[in-house]
Amino acid sequence: AQKVTQAQTEISVVEKEDVTLDCVYETRDTTYYLFWYKQPPSGELVFLIRRNSFDEQNEISGRYSWNFQKSTSSFNFTITASQVVDSAVYFCALSEYGYGQNFVFGPGTRLSVLP
Amino acid sequence: GAVVSQHPSRVICKSGTSVKIECRSLDFQATTMFWYRQFPKKSLMLMATSNEGSKATYEQGVEKDKFLINHASLTLSTLTVTSAHPEDSSFYICSATGTGDFGAQPQHFGDGTRLSIL
Repeated sequence: AQKVTQAQTEISVVEKEDVTLDCVYETRDTTYYLFWYKQPPSGELVFLIRRNSFDEQNEISGRYSWNFQKSTSSFNFTITASQVVDSAVYFCALSEYGYGQNFVFGPGTRLSVLP
Repeated sequence: GAVVSQHPSRVICKSGTSVKIECRSLDFQATTMFWYRQFPKKSLMLMATSNEGSKATYEQGVEKDKFLINHASLTLSTLTVTSAHPEDSSFYICSATGTGDFGAQPQHFGDGTRLSIL
């Protein structure tokens, strides 16, 4: 069965600090997809990134970067030079190929960036 | 691109009322739509998956007679909470995916509907 764990329930940092959000997943499939979503206080979910299981290349997008390591089943998310607007709940999600696009979401990590 | 519109954003109504929530994909055809429920400070809980023109598939523990889902077209799905009671108060979010490899498509989310039953 698929499962996503985000061990950090809440994180607080001061603006301009770097912060890493952890995501560990479980799946028996060899083909799967990993996602990160951001949910700001207003409630909407914003898609950040998708990664497939065959692509272990790390990705950087502005202040955001993602580190995918199959050996440890982890897909961690780092925000560099955090800003107050980064305050949100961040969800990691897993989707297995051929299982109808069902997502399994992690419990989320609430990030608070203090000025 | 990939915009999903959910309406209404907030509903406050009396116990016993039925409430309909609409989810529309504005710039793509949504072959599959999902309905989630989110309790305060909790993750998203999948309620049901619907494909256009067929009956929705409900997750275990979700009452299909209480939460009626209709996916009448490739751009519209509706969730009706029938005879709502205070315990149905929650944040409901829809999402949609287009065509493509199974599992590969990101889900695009609506802004959610905050339902409060008095």
